Amino acid sequence: SAVISQKPSRDICQRGTSLTIQCQVDSQVTMMFWYRQQPGQSLTLIATANQGSEATYESGFVIDKFPISRPNLTFSTLTVSNMSPEDSSIYLCSVEGVSGSSYEQYFGPGTRLTVT
Amino acid sequence: DAKTTQPPSMDCAEGRAANLPCNHSTISGNEYVYWYRQIHSQGPQYIIHGLKNNETNEMASLIITEDRKSSTLILPHATLRDTAVYYCIVRVQWRGSTLGRLYFGRGTQLTVWP
Repeated sequence: SAVISQKPSRDICQRGTSLTIQCQVDSQVTMMFWYRQQPGQSLTLIATANQGSEATYESGFVIDKFPISRPNLTFSTLTVSNMSPEDSSIYLCSVEGVSGSSYEQYFGPGTRLTVT
Repeated sequence: DAKTTQPPSMDCAEGRAANLPCNHSTISGNEYVYWYRQIHSQGPQYIIHGLKNNETNEMASLIITEDRKSSTLILPHATLRDTAVYYCIVRVQWRGSTLGRLYFGRGTQLTVWP
């Protein structure tokens, strides 16, 4: 299994500002993913971040709003830009791991963002 | 988009088996059924997955119907710590590569009571 840490664990930000969330994994992984979980809702995939290539965004999410970096196989960042209260959510990163023939996805603890 | 349907909530007495159903009537032949759970304020946790055979691990059992249109996750002896939202997800998986993306539905809030 993979151990994932995220920074910050939580933050309160003013509208119009930007926040960069960091995701660190204890092993090298090819695929990393960023999810958003709005209050009382399920998880929604934002984008897939593979090292050495541009992130792939899901419908409804754009690079200008959620730029992602993936400089190496153990680290990624997600920036929430020009924030509004609607961006208040938990943001989670995850990685894909292989155990035998099993593909399992491991999640970080999340970053709880409140935009005022 | 999520391709599964689950009841929004269930409850179970501690020590009893919890049986969580999931409908995935449009599942394709190369799609697996995955189960995750999310305990409050934590990231989701992988539980189990299967293609067409029943599966069991240290956490749970997964029963998939013969036509693969539905499945049941079984927690054989539920404890208070099993209180969580349980997500049933279908996804493509093949040797050497996966699409990787997980599309979560609303899940089932399981409450285990003493």
